[in-house]
Amino acid sequence: GAGVSQSPRYKVAKRGQDVALRCDPISGHVSLFWYQQALGQGPEFLTYFQNEAQLDKSGLPSDRFFAERPEGSVSTLKIQRTQQEDSAVYLCASSSYMDRGQIYFGEGSWLTVV
Amino acid sequence: DQQVKQNSPSLSVQEGRISILNCDYTNSMFDYFLWYKKYPAEGPTFLISISSIKDKNEDGRFTVFLNKSAKHLSLHIVPSQPGDSAVYFCAASESGTASKLTFGTGTRLQVTL
Repeated sequence: GAGVSQSPRYKVAKRGQDVALRCDPISGHVSLFWYQQALGQGPEFLTYFQNEAQLDKSGLPSDRFFAERPEGSVSTLKIQRTQQEDSAVYLCASSSYMDRGQIYFGEGSWLTVV
Repeated sequence: DQQVKQNSPSLSVQEGRISILNCDYTNSMFDYFLWYKKYPAEGPTFLISISSIKDKNEDGRFTVFLNKSAKHLSLHIVPSQPGDSAVYFCAASESGTASKLTFGTGTRLQVTL
């Protein structure tokens, strides 16, 4: 597609439920990132993939968060046993550069945990 | 600990005037800086960047200035237009961190007629 595509756009989950958020990066982009943006804050880094390899997961807040990119294209961010503090916008971004370069963000998946 | 700070949560500027958005950072390992613009319900959009080997970068109406000794950067928009009304995020990365960005909390710019 033309841009980074994320689904679902909006998700309401009951506390304790598992959720899966999908990201379809720009075709051919090697690098893929997940960020979490809480209300009134800037995006915070969660994890980074270079092709299918997860090179940095230092930002994942707990072991309830898991991300994968098995074939080096589509990525899924999974949150197990959701809690209210997980409510945020989850932004996926991709880049064609292995190092620096402009990264392109998707519109985000808005997660509300009730 | 907020490594990238945008101390002004909002700014209002008249159309045609200059908008100046400020950003301070504390991590001396940051060597690449970016500005992103965000409209409601959309993802951030890249605006302009600057490497620490430069002190100025210009792209049309947008200019970013970097003062390394003060650990301060600013984004100038001249002239400001109503379509520039958005939230602006400053972001920074360290060498070798492959675009892992640390963002500020954003400044909401409103350009009035």
